[in-house]
Order: sequence, then structure tokens, then C-alpha cells
Amino acid sequence: LAKTTQPISMDSYEGQEVNITCSHNNIATNDYITWYQQFPSQGPRFIIQGYKTKVTNEVASLFIPADRKSSTLSLPRVSLSDTAVYYCLVGLMLTGGGNKLTFGTGTQLKVEL
Amino acid sequence: KAGVTQTPRYLIKTRGQQVTLSCSPISGHRSVSWYQQTPGQGLQFLFEYFSETQRNKGNFPGRFSGRQFSNSRSEMNVSTLELGDSALYLCASSLEGGAGSPLHFGNGTRLTVT
Repeated sequence: LAKTTQPISMDSYEGQEVNITCSHNNIATNDYITWYQQFPSQGPRFIIQGYKTKVTNEVASLFIPADRKSSTLSLPRVSLSDTAVYYCLVGLMLTGGGNKLTFGTGTQLKVEL
Repeated sequence: KAGVTQTPRYLIKTRGQQVTLSCSPISGHRSVSWYQQTPGQGLQFLFEYFSETQRNKGNFPGRFSGRQFSNSRSEMNVSTLELGDSALYLCASSLEGGAGSPLHFGNGTRLTVT
């Protein structure tokens, strides 16, 4: 089961770019890397997913080096509303399909004025 | 497209009782999984259902069970409630449930056991 390690907390200011790195040393060949955002008393919200190299969507970019042992979520020009917990997940593809995703402790991002 | 809907939003029960939580996935999604979230343990996987069959199971006691109906809606049942079962229970749906298929979460049911 691929275990992830990410910083417990990060602080930033509005308008800055924030990069959150996640380590997943024993990622398997079939595993995808997915990032979620969670606000208090809400379910996690899907942000971005990738397998290798770089993926970009309207809210974030995901950088994955060739060895795939880590990944970096990049949030451009954060605002106060980006204050949340961010989870890095590595999916375990099980025989017969399905998933058994393991959530780590997440990174509490705090954005200030 | 409507998101994942969980009912009820809040629930208060006493020890020894049982509870049933409901989850309606996004239309077209066939996989439904359940998670328990507590401050101490974080988000923990309970089980996953696909086409009315439990496909994967986490490390929870048999008091936690679930089922999925033909329309993909799912229910989770906890019997003989304990104080430690107080948590936010989250349901997530995905198209096929594979690792490349992102999960879409509901806002959860907050269960308080007294």
C-alpha cells in the first residue's frame, strides 16, 4: 500500500504561488496521484489527477518527476478561500478493479492577507 | 449534474443503537465507497461497492456494513453503536472505481453517539 508523506501545515499570503510536495516512495506502476481539497465539515473535493510529467487544469498544476516517487501540487495566486486541507492520494489498483485509497494526514494551508 | 447526496446531514444516537446512512451517487457512477473521518484517525476507508457487490473492505469491525441497490444508491449501517463511532461519514462515487477514476464526495453525515 503506497504511503504518502506531506507537510502538516503551510502558510502563505494572498497572490502568492503555493507548492505542496508529497512523497510516495513505493508507488506502484498502475497508481495514479490525486489531490483533494477539504473545507471544514465538507467532503473532500477533487482538484487534479496525474500519472506522470505535468498536468494542468483551471485551478492547479501537478508536477510528477520521472521516478514518480513524489509529486507537487502548485496553486497559482492563492486567495483566502484557498485556506483548506489538501490531501495527496496514491490509488491502489486492486485485483478485480476498485480502489482502496489511503488518505494521509493532509496539509493544512492557511492563506492570509 | 447533481453531486453526491448524503442523508441525513446530522444524526444523534445513543450507545447500543443502530443507524443507517444513505448515499445517492452522481448519475452514471457505479462505484460507491464510504469513509470515516475523525480528528484522531483522519479519513479511513470503510468499504466500496460496485454493481451491488462489495468489492473492497477496510479494517473495520463487522458492526459496519453496507449495501448498494440496483440504481447505485448505497446505504451504510452501524449496529451496536459505540462512543468511538462518532465521526463524519463520507460517501464518494466514481464512474468505475478504478485508481484512475477520481472520487466525488458528498458533504457527509455527522454522527454523534452519546
